[in-house]
Amino acid sequence: SQQGEEDPQALSIQEGENATMNCSYKTSINNLQWYRQNSGRGLVHLILIRSNEREKHSGRLRVTLDTSKKSSSLLITASRAADTASYFCATDGNQAGTALIFGKGTTLSVSS
Amino acid sequence: KAGVTQTPRYLIKTRGQQVTLSCSPISGHRSVSWYQQTPGQGLQFLFEYFSETQRNKGNFPGRFSGRQFSNSRSEMNVSTLELGDSALYLCASTKQGTFNSPLHFGNGTRLTVT
Repeated sequence: SQQGEEDPQALSIQEGENATMNCSYKTSINNLQWYRQNSGRGLVHLILIRSNEREKHSGRLRVTLDTSKKSSSLLITASRAADTASYFCATDGNQAGTALIFGKGTTLSVSS
Repeated sequence: KAGVTQTPRYLIKTRGQQVTLSCSPISGHRSVSWYQQTPGQGLQFLFEYFSETQRNKGNFPGRFSGRQFSNSRSEMNVSTLELGDSALYLCASTKQGTFNSPLHFGNGTRLTVT
């Protein structure tokens, strides 16, 4: 299966701290995506990183991708209470027509 | 631009009944994907429709079916409901498909089977 697996399953930090979540996957990919989900709501796309990219930034978010280790990390800097959510990585197959498969997510709790 | 709209937001059904969920994608988006989310299994891919054709299917029994209309709106149907079908059902749309494209999700339909 190409499903990504996030680590840790749960993370609790204080406001202002950095949060790092990791994702590992099993097969070759074309791209890897990160999503956020607030409780009971739909997922919101954060970043898409292609297999030939090593790092990507978006505001306080930084994503790295290591295809040799089949792993990715999501760093949220200077966390805020509003960052409290579940974060998922998703991988596609290395060809068009394959579905986007999600990991089980990391639940981040940021307390003030 | 309006986002992905799913109706109804909540649904309570009894075992053995059937249910139809609706998804209206973002205007101009032709691909609609459906996912089932449960605490135990996480997000599981159900199927993807593109231009009224099922392009991809996950590993779910035949009780789960879907379709897409010419205006790209999609419905999914679950027949002979089981307790284990209780879940958050999410649909997502993209312009051309999921390859190299982010998914735009609706807020889901919460189905409870009693």
